[in-house]
Amino acid sequence: GQQLNQSPQSMFIQEGEDVSMNCTSSSIFNTWLWYKQEPGEGPVLLIALYKAGELTSNGRLTAQFGITRKDSFLNISASIPSDVGIYFCAGSTGNTPLVFGKGTRLSVIA
Amino acid sequence: NAGVTQTPKFRILKIGQSMTLQCTQDMNHNYMYWYRQDPGMGLKLIYYSVGAGITDKGEVPNGYNVSRSTTEDFPLRLELAAPSQTSVYFCATAVPNEQFFGPGTRLTVL
Repeated sequence: GQQLNQSPQSMFIQEGEDVSMNCTSSSIFNTWLWYKQEPGEGPVLLIALYKAGELTSNGRLTAQFGITRKDSFLNISASIPSDVGIYFCAGSTGNTPLVFGKGTRLSVIA
Repeated sequence: NAGVTQTPKFRILKIGQSMTLQCTQDMNHNYMYWYRQDPGMGLKLIYYSVGAGITDKGEVPNGYNVSRSTTEDFPLRLELAAPSQTSVYFCATAVPNEQFFGPGTRLTVL
């Protein structure tokens, strides 16, 4: 089946630093999504991308849908302690279930 | 709108017991999903439904059953609980590509 490679697996950064994580796939997706999961909670949708090359921002978060449609990245600028959590990428080809990456665990050191 | 509601929040089962995890949504979404998330891991799809009366297996369906008699409800049934089913279970709905998750049910099988 389809698989997403999400990297890095985990990150430890200082408060105020920028963060970058990405997802790659061996197959094409029509939609890329980025979710954040905080401890004890369900994943929450951060950004949805629908067009190749699309660059979308949500506050300090910016995500891009790769031109090849096989990758996406998420950047967080000026990280703060509440950015801590697990970030998941997900891809969709249409009406089939989303394919999720294994997540990037972000820790922010104040 | 309550969004996606899951009950119970926590449950401890003995090996061999059965239980039903409830999921209800008030967003009138046709697509619903059940995932399990083991500690420190990503999401694995158990079952999904594209509408009332239609269900399909995901990546890890063994040991589980589902039904979808209404748009709103998508219960997940464990017939003979096993320690390997200790996990956090998330229900989600979709429109169809953007998934919205419930808060989860933490299940422990002893």
